[in-house]
Amino acid sequence: DGGITQSPKYLFRKEGQNVTLSCEQNLNHDAMYWYRQDPGQGLRLIYYSQIVNDFQKGDIAEGYSVSREKKESFPLTVTSAQKNPTAFYLCASKPGLEFYNEQFFGPGTRLTVL
Amino acid sequence: QKEVEQNSGPLSVPEGAIASLNCTYSDRVSQSFFWYRQYSGKSPELIMSIYSNGDKEDGRFTAQLNKASQYVSLLIRDSQPSDSATYLCAVKGDYKLSFGAGTTVTVRA
Repeated sequence: DGGITQSPKYLFRKEGQNVTLSCEQNLNHDAMYWYRQDPGQGLRLIYYSQIVNDFQKGDIAEGYSVSREKKESFPLTVTSAQKNPTAFYLCASKPGLEFYNEQFFGPGTRLTVL
Repeated sequence: QKEVEQNSGPLSVPEGAIASLNCTYSDRVSQSFFWYRQYSGKSPELIMSIYSNGDKEDGRFTAQLNKASQYVSLLIRDSQPSDSATYLCAVKGDYKLSFGAGTTVTVRA
């Protein structure tokens, strides 16, 4: 089956810990994205990557880091510098940057700081 | 001014009625517009995309776009209880999609 997978589904973090959220896609999509969603709010862009070995900060990158060593993988690390990390994290991908390309989401990871 | 604004809701409609969702955006050069449906606790699911002025129909869903007014809407005809969800409007800018906060729709049986 083609699609986007995220793991884990639920993640609990202690204060001061770094955690890494996994995102994998087998759709052969070039572009990948990380969003954060807080209750009652829209999605906010954390980081995005258009090609392998390249990524750019989104609107709320502080306290997060990413890598794009393989086309199919775009992991997100939530560092201890992120002051309020409890949220629903969504990974997305799309074939390319053309305006007509549609963006699809993985199932999400719900992160809770204890 | 927010990049994408949606009517705040929640919107409650009886089963079989039409649900009307509205969205305005600020970037005049935006070329593509999307509606996502998000069930509680789940990720957004793409239900409609529209790129040209006018209407686009897909089953019970109709998207309407008016670039001059910077306005996009979604109509859900013959609303069903399974349509109860939050609907997110998304507008593509230079490099990213900007999302509205969403409108929650409840279809009453």
